[in-house]
Amino acid sequence: GAVVSQHPSWVICKSGTSVKIECRSLDFQATTMFWYRQFPKQSLMLMATSNEGSKATYEQGVEKDKFLINHASLTLSTLTVTSAHPEDSSFYICSARGPDSLYNEQFFGPGTRLTVL
Amino acid sequence: AQSVTQLDSHVSVSEGTPVLLRCNYSSSYSPSLFWYVQHPNKGLQLLLKYTSAATLVKGINGFEAEFKKSETSFHLTKPSAHMSDAAEYFCVVSDPAAGNKLTFGGGTRVLVKP
Repeated sequence: GAVVSQHPSWVICKSGTSVKIECRSLDFQATTMFWYRQFPKQSLMLMATSNEGSKATYEQGVEKDKFLINHASLTLSTLTVTSAHPEDSSFYICSARGPDSLYNEQFFGPGTRLTVL
Repeated sequence: AQSVTQLDSHVSVSEGTPVLLRCNYSSSYSPSLFWYVQHPNKGLQLLLKYTSAATLVKGINGFEAEFKKSETSFHLTKPSAHMSDAAEYFCVVSDPAAGNKLTFGGGTRVLVKP
């Protein structure tokens, strides 16, 4: 099946620094990638949708200047949390969808846990 | 707008007994529906999906779900729970009218007692 990886799996950073999270589709071309955020014991909330080669579309309430998303190739999307603060601490999960996913299936990465001190 | 309601935030069952996780959805069109499982600090694994074919959908690990349009429900069942089934389960809807975005239910945490 389709495999999506994320790196790093966990990261701890100081307040005010920036953190980059990578999402890769390992065995298929991902024309669309999604970034979700999950707070402890809560559900997943869609942050943004990115299509290869174009700007990401952010959900209402998500600061695009704080959460920078780049989808420069068909196998890689990155999420950069700029000037991170403790309230940005969360579990970030990406998913990827190929061009021929007739049934709109998204393949999820294993997630990245961000802790901001 | 589409929405998903998981009626139980927690379900506790004994090993070997049936599991029922309830899910109701709201969608403006014929949706695709999914059940995902998430073990602690892990990503999501697809259990099964409904995409307008058979209303009774069989998934992995003995799980199945039945799509009932009249009740707008998509409940997940398993005849006999195993200790490894302890996890968080999410009911998810994808609505073409909403740009095929996925909307997640609030999740149901399953505890399996020995």
